[in-house]
Amino acid sequence: DTGVSQDPRHKITKRGQNVTFRCDPISEHNRLYWYRQTLGQGPEFLTYFQNEAQLEKSRLLSDRFSAERPKGSFSTLEIQRTEQGDSAMYLCASSLEGFSGNTIYFGEGSWLTVV
Amino acid sequence: AQKVTQAQTEISVVEKEDVTLDCVYETRDTTYYLFWYKQPPSGELVFLIRRNSFDEQNEISGRYSWNFQKSTSSFNFTITASQVVDSAVYFCALNSNYQLIWGAGTKLIIKP
Repeated sequence: DTGVSQDPRHKITKRGQNVTFRCDPISEHNRLYWYRQTLGQGPEFLTYFQNEAQLEKSRLLSDRFSAERPKGSFSTLEIQRTEQGDSAMYLCASSLEGFSGNTIYFGEGSWLTVV
Repeated sequence: AQKVTQAQTEISVVEKEDVTLDCVYETRDTTYYLFWYKQPPSGELVFLIRRNSFDEQNEISGRYSWNFQKSTSSFNFTITASQVVDSAVYFCALNSNYQLIWGAGTKLIIKP
C-alpha cells in the first residue's frame, strides 16, 4: 500500500509564473486535503474534497489558487501569478470519510520557492 | 473557539534522557479527537497517535507514551530514553469536523 504522494517535491519559479502541484491520495481514501506550511509554523488548512466535490475553502485561498479533483482520485493545486509570499511547503493529505476522528495521512509535501 | 497550545518552542536534551512534550487544547465539543504528528527534516508529517475524547487511558507504544487528561485539557507526549532519530518537530492537533487545528509545534533536538 502506498501512502500519499506528491509531485514535484521541489519547485523554484520566478515571480509571476504559474505552478501546479499534483497529489495522489491513498487509494481507498475519498477525502483529500491541501495544507500550506511555512517555516516554524504549523500547517494551515487550504481546502478539502470529498470525492470530486470541493466542500470547503479557507480564506487563505486567494483567487490565484485553484484546486481540482476531477475524478475523485488525484488532485491538482494551481497557483497563478506566483508571489514571493507563496513560498511555502504545500502538503496534501487524505483520509476516509465519515466521523471527524478519521486519521489524516500526509504526503511528503511540495516545496515552492518563488524568486 | 478551538485552539491547541504547545508552549515549548524548542527542547534540547542529551540522548537517553526522557523528555515530555506538552499539549493543551480548548474546545467546546463533547466529542473530539486529538493527534500527535512528527515532522522530521524531510518534511513529511508522520502520524503517531489518535485519541478520542471518551478514552482517557494512557497509551504506550515502545518508547513513546501519551497522557490524556480531560480535567486539565492536556494531551502530553513522553519519549523515554530518547534517541538522535527522535529529533524532529512534533505537532499536537485537534480534529474539528473536516480539518485539524494545529499547535505551533515543538522542535525536539536530541544531542548525541
